[in-house]
Amino acid sequence: DAGVIQSPRHEVTEMGQEVTLRCKPISGHDYLFWYRQTMMRGLELLIYFNNNVPIDDSGMPEDRFSAKMPNASFSTLKIQPSEPRDSAVYFCASSSPGTSGNEQFFGPGTRLTVL
Amino acid sequence: AQSVAQPEDQVKVAEGNPLTVKCTYSVSGNPYLFWYVQYPNRGLQFLLKYITGDNLVKGSYGFEAEFNKSQTSFHLKKPSALVSDSALYFCAVRGGYSTLTFGKGTMLLVSP
Repeated sequence: DAGVIQSPRHEVTEMGQEVTLRCKPISGHDYLFWYRQTMMRGLELLIYFNNNVPIDDSGMPEDRFSAKMPNASFSTLKIQPSEPRDSAVYFCASSSPGTSGNEQFFGPGTRLTVL
Repeated sequence: AQSVAQPEDQVKVAEGNPLTVKCTYSVSGNPYLFWYVQYPNRGLQFLLKYITGDNLVKGSYGFEAEFNKSQTSFHLKKPSALVSDSALYFCAVRGGYSTLTFGKGTMLLVSP
């Protein structure tokens, strides 16, 4: 398996533009997580899905952020409009069904820079 | 609410010496504990986990961790450090069916 795939790996955009980050989880995994990593705040959980359904989006910072999972093999995280403080590395992770002891597998991340 | 504390921002050791990266946790019920490693410009990689059973857990790359329920700790250890072990290490905890809570991370620097 190729692991969790994220695209793009790097994104540079200007303030006010729409940004869409993409994730393909590991086949067969039914949980998908979106995280944001910054120096100041560390690793933050933004939202997670189970069987394509959003379960908890309490970590989404503002209404400018939205996430979708239209099918088991694809998810998007959208920021509109983007702001400089959104600059961070965004990770997608997935985990397999079963017990709470299952670990999460992380993608390589998307480094977002908003100018 | 569950939480994880990694009291050291940075740990420095010389190659060949043993290393310890500390982690304490707080959670309701039985904990599920994890260690992850992050190399520069990479995603987090799973190292090891404690679910139940033996308090000493062995993982990837020669790492191990010791679960101590009375001290609510899950310290990461390795008998002999390598320069290539230099990276950012995260401890994480899950209680029941909740999500993972990560610590702030500890930067491990192994000098030649």
